[in-house]
Amino acid sequence: AQKITQTQPGMFVQEKEAVTLDCTYDTSDPSYGLFWYKQPSSGEMIFLIYQGSYDQQNATEGRYSLNFQKARKSANLVISASQLGDSAMYFCAMREANAGGTSYGKLTFGQGTILTVHP
Amino acid sequence: DSGVTQTPKHLITATGQRVTLRCSPRSGDLSVYWYQQSLDQGLQFLIQYYNGEERAKGNILERFSAQQFPDLHSELNLSSLELGDSALYFCASSVGGYGNQPQHFGDGTRLSIL
Repeated sequence: AQKITQTQPGMFVQEKEAVTLDCTYDTSDPSYGLFWYKQPSSGEMIFLIYQGSYDQQNATEGRYSLNFQKARKSANLVISASQLGDSAMYFCAMREANAGGTSYGKLTFGQGTILTVHP
Repeated sequence: DSGVTQTPKHLITATGQRVTLRCSPRSGDLSVYWYQQSLDQGLQFLIQYYNGEERAKGNILERFSAQQFPDLHSELNLSSLELGDSALYFCASSVGGYGNQPQHFGDGTRLSIL
């Protein structure tokens, strides 16, 4: 089974509108962390936001917020007031605490969602 | 700028050759991670080092090896290169080996095998 599933290969949003990028995950580990990264066309990977499995509140970082629904195992990224510069590939990733002795710091990534912001 | 430096940015070589990718982590970060990004496999974890010691291993081929030096920089060695090794190789670093610390990525080395 896929550990991280991003079901939207591509999304379109109008500038200044909000957009939600979906991410569901699969783990039996009670302790885990969820991360979102942005990859512009230039190729670099930019950290956006983090949510821990024991965090009581949804994470927020500026225009980014994470809609964390633990029971549903979803961690959707919400971008408010979209800007043209938000056009990029977005990756959801998970780190499990007890993934086995060989997976200590490993991030498992989804396949990504390409976001296009229209003017 | 993430503070993670990868060199070279681009590398073009032939099948059967050997290359070395270099990574300097952010100041103060003890953990270094290597990832491979390809069109068919997506982003795959290769290996992690923490303060000079191997800490975690992913789907890293036997032809690939890595190490982290006392000054904390890391090198990824790829040998007997095949066409399928063409990919974007990322190095990332974090303060510790786990926890809620994000991994900060370098700009990557784009490897093209001809």
